Amino acid sequence: DIVMTQSPDSLAVSLGERATINCKSSQNVLYSSNNKNYLAWYQQKPGQPPKLLIYWASTRESGVPDRFSGSGSGTDFTLTISSLQAEDVAVYYCQHYYSTPFTFGQGTRLEIE
Amino acid sequence: EVQLVESGGGLVQPGGSLRLSCAASGFTFSSYCMHWVRQVPGKGLVWVSRINRDGSSTTYADSVRGRFTISRDNAKNTLYLEMNSLRAEDTAVYYCASGKGANVHFDYWGQGNLVTVSS
Repeated sequence: DIVMTQSPDSLAVSLGERATINCKSSQNVLYSSNNKNYLAWYQQKPGQPPKLLIYWASTRESGVPDRFSGSGSGTDFTLTISSLQAEDVAVYYCQHYYSTPFTFGQGTRLEIE
Repeated sequence: EVQLVESGGGLVQPGGSLRLSCAASGFTFSSYCMHWVRQVPGKGLVWVSRINRDGSSTTYADSVRGRFTISRDNAKNTLYLEMNSLRAEDTAVYYCASGKGANVHFDYWGQGNLVTVSS
């Protein structure tokens, strides 16, 4: 099974500042035949289901603010929030969908400093 | 508007059974693979199972294989999870989620349904 490891486990950032969350997979999730990284990022607020933010490592889901961006390839990925807003307080998860089981990272809790 | 509405959760004794349902609307259900994902309250997300568009192929996490069965009824736009031989460690909120292919991201999620396994 592919293990997804996020860092840090929690993060406190001031409003308007940049937040960066890292995700590392234990195996390559770049599929060579289509050059796509099989990785997504989700946001989960308390009492709500996860919400898709980013897929194919860097494609923003429709309706997601452009302050959210994803980068990386192979085994190392990053979710960046360029200017933190109060409504961004949540837990963020990375997930690979390269092969089953589709494992998630342990989550990163993002708070306002 | 896309909606996935889970039902069927509740309290069950260890060793018991429960069937979860996920009613879909607002999209072409039969064009999507469907998944179950669970989350122990306060903990992380764990993928449980996947079924392909026509129900002919299913995949399970090791922790539930042989005890849980995923199925779907495309005529009723409904996904199911039959859970047998339930254990305390199966206690979690269960989410259904959709993906447009077998190996793609989960674009729609239900609100979740709590299953509690306890005597």
